[in-house]
Amino acid sequence: DAKTTQPTSMDCAEGRAANLPCNHSTISGNEYVYWYRQIHSQGPQYIIHGLKNNETNEMASLIITEDRKSSTLILPHATLRDTAVYYCIVRSPLGNEKLTFGTGTRLTIIP
Amino acid sequence: ETGVTQTPRHLVMGMTNKKSLKCEQHLGHNAMYWYKQSAKKPLELMFVYNFKEQTENNSVPSRFSPECPNSSHLFLHLHTLQPEDSALYLCASSQDSGREISTDTQYFGPGTRLTVL
Repeated sequence: DAKTTQPTSMDCAEGRAANLPCNHSTISGNEYVYWYRQIHSQGPQYIIHGLKNNETNEMASLIITEDRKSSTLILPHATLRDTAVYYCIVRSPLGNEKLTFGTGTRLTIIP
Repeated sequence: ETGVTQTPRHLVMGMTNKKSLKCEQHLGHNAMYWYKQSAKKPLELMFVYNFKEQTENNSVPSRFSPECPNSSHLFLHLHTLQPEDSALYLCASSQDSGREISTDTQYFGPGTRLTVL
């Protein structure tokens, strides 16, 4: 039970911003939104996480709506190496709460 | 390079063999995890170790036996596996602060691609 809904696949042109949506309408007040990605045949890689406020790091930006029922991961200038499956995960902050991966969005960056 | 290494990267074994997967983390973390990723399925959590103690066994068959001798090393011992156990086995680690509110991030290794014949 992944608690999130993501499109199965998306394409984005190289150099453009990739915007990956995620719906989490049943999110609880203390649950965080995490994003991981998995490049083919590699282990998942942490990207970013947030609670209420928008977050930005060297990899991406995370925009969370005011009602927290959805969020968008933004890769500002997508490169071919960003082709991967992107997972949006809702997670309780309780210690050791496990990550529950869904099927994610397969993002393909097109030259 | 995430600081989590796994060996071997590829393993082919027969159903009667006994083998072990090894995971080592160089991040000073105190929690380690085994996940299984079968073809076209989401990642499934198998085991969690926190401070070397197993805190979660996600209904995994006994033919998979984990071992965590210290906080840096995690093993998965395999015996009498079935062909349906063929999958990518991923190890991860995190720093569990022990506080009720924790946002520890998990760092994954590259995985071991296991094929059971």
